Formats: sequence, structure tokens, C-alpha cells
Amino acid sequence: NFMLTQPHSVSESPGKTVTISCTGSSGSIASNYVQWYQQRPGSAPTTVIYEDNQRPSGVPDRFSGSIDSSSNSASLTISGLKTEDEADYYCQSYDGSNQNVVFGGGTKLTVL
Amino acid sequence: QLQLQESGPGLVKPSETLSLTCTVSGGSISSSSYYWGWIRQPPGKGLEWIGSIYYSGSTYYNPSLKSRVTISVDTSKNQFSLKLSSVTAADTAVYYCARQNFGLLLWSGNNWFDPWGQGTLVTVSS
Repeated sequence: NFMLTQPHSVSESPGKTVTISCTGSSGSIASNYVQWYQQRPGSAPTTVIYEDNQRPSGVPDRFSGSIDSSSNSASLTISGLKTEDEADYYCQSYDGSNQNVVFGGGTKLTVL
Repeated sequence: QLQLQESGPGLVKPSETLSLTCTVSGGSISSSSYYWGWIRQPPGKGLEWIGSIYYSGSTYYNPSLKSRVTISVDTSKNQFSLKLSSVTAADTAVYYCARQNFGLLLWSGNNWFDPWGQGTLVTVSS
């Protein structure tokens, strides 16, 4: 079965840039789109990136998404880090072999 | 603005059936462009997709939960519901409902959840 693997945690200083990876276990991650969700403590997830690199209205352009087929991974990059970006981030895609929606395990971003 | 709200018992006994309802407001659940999904999150853990339903009643389930899950829709009430049978402590989680968006094709590799309900904690305990 297709799985998405994320680092458990990352940390960076305010104003800096951080990248969170999401690696597919098999096949090509580029075969299906990847989404990214932000979840602040005690709140429901919200979409920050959909269709690999699209930002919903209201999401600042400090957030960007990309796909790297050579490493079979997707990445979420946040530039100009703010303390309000501190949250858990989840990637999500699709396993066409069994019509399953798959989430990564989540990455805790600390901005310190 | 579309809003979703989960409702149902916060405590369920082991071996019984968990039942939740999601009420959609600010839009119609009968839109041809979306599925409607359930996702759960055990305390301190990650997100797990449970299943999704179309307004016509077409469903897709997570293979790992399929034998215990039933999702239904009531278009007259603008609601969809989740039933999870034979629950154990491992089913203790915050349960979210969400609209599932698609690109050009329904039920394809181009799908994402937005917006989400606020979530409801269901504890399985005797």
C-alpha cells in the first residue's frame, strides 16, 4: 500500500525559510496530486496547498509547494517564518491501486 | 460561506456502534462537484481518512476500516452520517467531517478536503 512519510519535527527561526518533505513509498508521487494542511493546536486542519502547488485564497504567498520526481517526494516551503506558522503540517495524496486517500504522519513545525 | 458541524455522542461503549452526523450549512450537499468525507485523529496522532459519500449515495471507504464503516446521506436535511461498528479503545479520536473537492474528475487522484468541521471527540470506554 502507498504511504507518505514526513519528518516528525522541524524547527527554524523567525524570518527564515523551512522546507517540510513528504516522501512516497512506491510508484510515482507525481501520479496524483499532493495537498498540504496546517493544523494549529486544538483546531481543525486548513488547506495551505492543493494540487501540488496551488494556494487557496487567503493563504500568503510565503507558502509554496513542489514535487521532486527524482526523490519521489513533495515539499512544502514556508519563507519569512512567523511565530503564527508554528503548527502541525500534513501532506495528503491518493492511492489509485485501492482508491484510498492517504495522509502523511504529520510534521510539527516549531518557530523559535 | 460553507460550514460543517459534527454531532453525536461523545462516549461509546466497547463493541457498540459509533454514530455521528455532519450538518452542512451555507451550501447544498447535493452539489455535483463534491464528495463529503469523514476523517479522524486519535489523541496526539495523525489524520486518517475513514470514507466519503456523494449526494447520490455512492461511497468509498478506507480499506482498513471498510468492514466496520457505513456512511449515508440525507439530502433533505443536508446531512451525512457515519456509523462505525464494533468499536474498541483504538477508535477513540476526534472525528472530522469535510467537503472533498476534486479537479476535473470525481474520485480521482486530484482531491482535497476543504472546509472541515470543528471536530468532535469520541471516547470509547466502558
